[in-house]
Amino acid sequence: SQTIHQWPATLVQPVGSPLSLECTVEGTSNPNLYWYRQAAGRGLQLLFYSVGIGQISSEVPQNLSASRPQDRQFLLSSKKLLLSDSGFYHCAWSAGKLNTEAFFGQGTRLTVV
Amino acid sequence: AQKITQTQPGMFVQEKEAVTLDCTYDTSDPSYGLFWYKQPSSGEMIFLIYQGSYDQQNATEGRYSLNFQKARKSANLVISASQLGDSAMYFCAMREGEDSSYKLIFGSGTRLLVRP
Repeated sequence: SQTIHQWPATLVQPVGSPLSLECTVEGTSNPNLYWYRQAAGRGLQLLFYSVGIGQISSEVPQNLSASRPQDRQFLLSSKKLLLSDSGFYHCAWSAGKLNTEAFFGQGTRLTVV
Repeated sequence: AQKITQTQPGMFVQEKEAVTLDCTYDTSDPSYGLFWYKQPSSGEMIFLIYQGSYDQQNATEGRYSLNFQKARKSANLVISASQLGDSAMYFCAMREGEDSSYKLIFGSGTRLLVRP
């Protein structure tokens, strides 16, 4: 069965420090991968998606970057965090089909102080 | 323009009663999918139910059903026989068929509180 792992679960980082979040998927190949951010009490905003290795699309301009070095690995990073980067980060994967749900990892709660 | 609109920031329901969470959407794509997710306090997104734009019947999954009114562009979630464990955030989402990224677009969510 397919599983998705995301870590760390919680992170407290000072302003100006770097960020590295990792997401891996098991049990499937060539998944579509997504990074979402959720501000407190708000909905999910899509940050990046990837339909293949090395293929990254950004949905909104921001202080973050994403990479997909392997088929089932999706990374989110920043060189210098801002206070506004605080939030709950979700990694998700789905098959490239209209009628299949997206599966989410456990999420990462990032607090920038 | 908002593609997914959830107009109820918060809802209360008595345990064992049914509750309807509203969702309207906006798309010109004839092929699309609508999804509902539950987010408990832990933060993880849990898939509940799916409705395709060409589906003739409303989707059902256990105590969850989707009231799909295509002409009104609404896809309301109905939870029957509410349980205390249903207290959570609920998100409506849409995927458009012409979008090759197959990304999900989410609404702002509704917080449901089930009263004992």
